Amino acid sequence: EPEVTQTPSHQVTQMGQEVILRCVPISNHLYFYWYRQILGQKVEFLVSFYNNEISEKSEIFDDQFSVERPDGSNFTLKIRSTKLEDSAMYFCASSEGRGPYEQYFGPGTRLTVT
Amino acid sequence: GQQVMQIPQYQHVQEGEDFTTYCNSSTTLSNIQWYKQRPGGHPVFLIQLVKSGEVKKQKRLTFQFGEAKKNSSLHITATQTTDVGTYFCAGWGGGFKTIFGAGTRLFVKA
Repeated sequence: EPEVTQTPSHQVTQMGQEVILRCVPISNHLYFYWYRQILGQKVEFLVSFYNNEISEKSEIFDDQFSVERPDGSNFTLKIRSTKLEDSAMYFCASSEGRGPYEQYFGPGTRLTVT
Repeated sequence: GQQVMQIPQYQHVQEGEDFTTYCNSSTTLSNIQWYKQRPGGHPVFLIQLVKSGEVKKQKRLTFQFGEAKKNSSLHITATQTTDVGTYFCAGWGGGFKTIFGAGTRLFVKA
C-alpha cells in the first residue's frame, strides 16, 4: 500500500538554527499538508499546499515557516530560526482531493529544539 | 474561527466495556472524519461522514453525524486492548483546512 514518508525521524537543533523537514507524499496525490502535534496535545493544522502554492495556512504558520515542492516528489517544511516552542512532532499528510478525502499521514518528524 | 471540541479528554475502561467520544463543532461542517492514533504513532484514517444524520459501522465501531452536521460521535462496543489510542475527530467546513478536535485518549485495562 502506498504511504507517505518523512525524514528525518528525529531532528535535534539549537535555538535559532534553520531546519528543513522532508516529506514524500503519495505519488498520485494533489494536496499536501503539514500538521504539528506538541507532545500529548492535539494535531494542529499548519498549512495546505496545492498546485505549487499555499492554499491555506493557520495562525501558527508565520513568516518563520515556509513550504516548498522543489521537485516532483518532495514536499518540505522549513523553519528559519527555531524557537524552543517549535519542539513538536511534525506530520506531513497528502490526499487525492480536498475536503471529503482521506488524508494519509506520514510517520512524523520529532523536532527537538534545545 | 472554526473550532472543534471533543470530550472526554481521557477515558479509562475495563476490557469489554463500551466507550463513546463526542465531537462538537462551532459551525456546520461539510463532513467529519475520524482518525485513530496509537501511542507513538501517527493519525490513521478510520472513516468519513458526509450526510446529515449518517450512521456508519465498522465491526465494533459505530460513527454518527448529527442532523445539524455540527456534532458527531464514535462508539466502541466491548472494547479490546487493541482499541487503545487517541481518537480524533476532524471537521472540514470548506476551503483547504481540516480542524482536528483535541482527541480522546482511550485506556483499556485487561
